[in-house]
Amino acid sequence: DTAVSQTPKYLVTQMGNDKSIKCEQNLGHDTMYWYKQDSKKFLKIMFSYNNKELIINETVPNRFSPKSPDKAHLNLHINSLELGDSAVYFCASSPDRNGNTIYFGEGSWLTVV
Amino acid sequence: GEDVEQSLFLSVREGDSSVINCTYTDSSSTYLYWYKQEPGAGLQLLTYIFSNMDMKQDQRLTVLLNKKDKHLSLRIADTQTGDSAIYFCAERAHNQGGKLIFGQGTELSVKP
Repeated sequence: DTAVSQTPKYLVTQMGNDKSIKCEQNLGHDTMYWYKQDSKKFLKIMFSYNNKELIINETVPNRFSPKSPDKAHLNLHINSLELGDSAVYFCASSPDRNGNTIYFGEGSWLTVV
Repeated sequence: GEDVEQSLFLSVREGDSSVINCTYTDSSSTYLYWYKQEPGAGLQLLTYIFSNMDMKQDQRLTVLLNKKDKHLSLRIADTQTGDSAIYFCAERAHNQGGKLIFGQGTELSVKP
């Protein structure tokens, strides 16, 4: 009955590969997010979708493409993986686009070798 | 621009109070947050405070907000070893919905 769930939790892949991380929330929230945490624990927003509409798109390489098939799902696809993409990717959701309270998933640890 | 700063480490003894401090730059922030991250785990929303409040208490947690000095603190009473984690302060970016600006996190170590 996890509120915000992401898969996979751990992913090790080679440079140049394409990979996806999936996220689902069962909270009935309208808005979902992807945040990235680097090796120094620094957290930064990447994208936000409200009811399948992209509302926040930070300066992220085009290799990163979010997809929201419905408001309960927000997947992150990464093309041509690079070493610098190694990080923890957190999915999150909030009741609405105001984002007054944001709940995070458990994170997906991506290692590019 | 928006910036949030925290000290990186804090060490306390079990049973003592812990105070984690944070400063932020965006005076128009309406919500400020404390998140907890245990090793290998996700971010847990601990508490948040609206900018028109000075203090919020929730069991062992007390949040103090000094809006004039743009200073936020989290006090944990009777700190336990299970409180050992990284604590992130965050502000909600002005007019940008759910864009949170995080501090670099304070690693709290609780010694028995």
